[in-house]
Amino acid sequence: KQEVTQIPAALSVPEGENLVLNCSFTDSAIYNLQWFRQDPGKGLTSLLLIQSSQREQTSGRLNASLDKSSGRSTLYIAASQPGDSATYLCAVSTGSRLTFGEGTQLTVNP
Amino acid sequence: GAVVSQHPSRVICKSGTSVKIECRSLDFQATTMFWYRQFPKQSLMLMATSNEGSKATYEQGVEKDKFLINHASLTLSTLTVTSAHPEDSSFYICSPFERGNNEQFFGPGTRLTVL
Repeated sequence: KQEVTQIPAALSVPEGENLVLNCSFTDSAIYNLQWFRQDPGKGLTSLLLIQSSQREQTSGRLNASLDKSSGRSTLYIAASQPGDSATYLCAVSTGSRLTFGEGTQLTVNP
Repeated sequence: GAVVSQHPSRVICKSGTSVKIECRSLDFQATTMFWYRQFPKQSLMLMATSNEGSKATYEQGVEKDKFLINHASLTLSTLTVTSAHPEDSSFYICSPFERGNNEQFFGPGTRLTVL
């Protein structure tokens, strides 16, 4: 059974700081990995999708890496802004289903 | 990204009533529909998976007679919470998936509160 763990559970940083969110998974036989953002009381917004054959994906200030063999992914956020405050969820796909981590709650202070 | 709608966005009901949640994929065909629920401070938990025109497959611990799923068309699926109780209060999120697509998209969610 796939298990996904995200560290840290919560993170508070001053505006402008670069930060890294971590995601680990137990079964490396994945199809892809997605990072999502969830604002309080809202649905999920897809941020980045990394296929199992890829090492990283970039979108604006976001960069996600994937090391499938070690079962790890990181989400790097550059020059953080208060608007980045949200819960970030990592999810791995085995083709037929997504398994989510518990999320990292990020607060960026002005 | 794909456009997914859910209705209603928020519902408050009395214990014992049934609540129907609609999920629509507006610009693609949902060959598969995933229904998740999310309790406060927790992550999304898959409840059931349905393929268009077929019966849903429920995850362990999810009662199929309590959470009725209909996926009769490629653009609409419904989740009915029957005889709702306070412990069913949660955030329900649908995720329609189109065969051949890599990315999974999610609806905006429905906040159910059972009094």
